[in-house]
Amino acid sequence: AQSVSQHNHHVILSEAASLELGCNYSYGGTVNLFWYVQYPGQHLQLLLKYFSGDPLVKGIKGFEAEFIKSKFSFNLRKPSVQWSDTAEYFCAVNAIGTGGFKTIFGAGTRLFVKA
Amino acid sequence: GAGVSQSPRYKVAKRGQDVALRCDPISGHVSLFWYQQALGQGPEFLTYFQNEAQLDKSGLPSDRFFAERPEGSVSTLKIQRTQQEDSAVYLCASSFGTSGGRSSYEQYFGPGTRLTVT
Repeated sequence: AQSVSQHNHHVILSEAASLELGCNYSYGGTVNLFWYVQYPGQHLQLLLKYFSGDPLVKGIKGFEAEFIKSKFSFNLRKPSVQWSDTAEYFCAVNAIGTGGFKTIFGAGTRLFVKA
Repeated sequence: GAGVSQSPRYKVAKRGQDVALRCDPISGHVSLFWYQQALGQGPEFLTYFQNEAQLDKSGLPSDRFFAERPEGSVSTLKIQRTQQEDSAVYLCASSFGTSGGRSSYEQYFGPGTRLTVT
C-alpha cells in the first residue's frame, strides 16, 4: 500500500531561519506530488505541486520542493521563514496508473515560527 | 462565494444516529473528493467522483458510509448508525482536472464538517 511519511511532527524556528521539511513516499511507479498548507483558522490550500519536468518546483510565498526519485523524497524548503509561515504543512502523493484516484496525505508537520 | 462550501460546519450526533454531510464544490469542477481527518492526522481519502460517477470508493471504512453526487455537482456523504470512531473532520475538495492522470490539477478544499459522536 502507498504511504507518505513526514519526519517531523513539530518544528519550532526563529524568524529568518531556514526550513526543510522531509517527506518520503512509498510507491515505485510514477507519482504526482503536492505540498498543502493550512494556516490557523483557514482551509487547506496548495503550496506547490510536481507533475513532471524540472524536479525543483517553486511555489507560493518563497517555498520550493525538490523531487528526488531515487530517494522517493519530496522535501519542502524555504531559505528564510517568517512569523506568517506558522501553519501545518502536509505532503501528499497521487500514484499514477494504479487504477485508483486517491491522494495519500502525510500526518502533517506543525511549524511554529517565533517572532 | 467562489470556494468549496460544506454544511453543517459542526454536527453532534448520538451514537446510532444517521448523519448527512453536504459539499458544494466550485462550479464547473469535474472532480470531487471526500476525506476524513482525525485529530492530529492528515486527511485520509474516502472516495472520488468524476462528475456523477463514483470512480473510487476504496477509502470508505465500512458499508455504513455512503456518498453520492447525482447531478455531478453537489455531493452528500452519509454515515449510517454513527459510532464514536466516526468522530473526525470530514473534508471535501474539488478540482477542475481529473485525478489519476498526468494532467495537472489542484484540489480546492472546503472548511470541513466537524462530526462529534457522543
